[in-house]
Amino acid sequence: TQLLEQSPQFLSIQEGENLTVYCNSSSVFSSLQWYRQEPGEGPVLLVTVVTGGEVKKLKRLTFQFGDARKDSSLHITAAQPGDTGLYLCLEGGSEKLVFGKGTKLTVNP
Amino acid sequence: NAGVMQNPRHLVRRRGQEARLRCSPMKGHSHVYWYRQLPEEGLKFMVYLQKENIIDESGMPKERFSAEFPKEGPSILRIQQVVRGDSAAYFCASSGTVMNTEAFFGQGTRLTVV
Repeated sequence: TQLLEQSPQFLSIQEGENLTVYCNSSSVFSSLQWYRQEPGEGPVLLVTVVTGGEVKKLKRLTFQFGDARKDSSLHITAAQPGDTGLYLCLEGGSEKLVFGKGTKLTVNP
Repeated sequence: NAGVMQNPRHLVRRRGQEARLRCSPMKGHSHVYWYRQLPEEGLKFMVYLQKENIIDESGMPKERFSAEFPKEGPSILRIQQVVRGDSAAYFCASSGTVMNTEAFFGQGTRLTVV
């Protein structure tokens, strides 16, 4: 099982700003999933990326999978307070389903 | 199609008591994962089970903690003789197959040991 590094660990921004968070590994991902966890709730699956170079969009969220499949990024455009939460990446295809430590995002009104 | 159901949502136990946390996976899912989360921290893997089998329990403390996923009924995470340090949120996830590891989470059980 490879270690996933997420950065930054904490991010606090104002409503309307753009941001990017990252998930990196020294090994190749078979696939990668992004989740968001809001306070007091369980993580919710946002997207799965499988193909190197793949880009997926979910409203104001853009997910990119690196060409070498060792990294992924999540870009949020015009962040809103409702985007506040813990963003987690997960290596797909692994038995343990080990998460990165996450990026805690706070969007201030 | 019901999602992953965990109960209870909140559980208070006195030190030394037993805590039983239940997880019913999504319909058709045969893989269950348990995680522990402390405040302001990420999800720490505890155990991975399939029906009637523990596949990987490397994240589970050796003492007082056990998990099962019987042929019928929910998966159970059992903590014996709870201590204050066991206070945390415990999340369960289920997936269909290992290769299709889109995992879906329950809302968690918040255990408080007093």
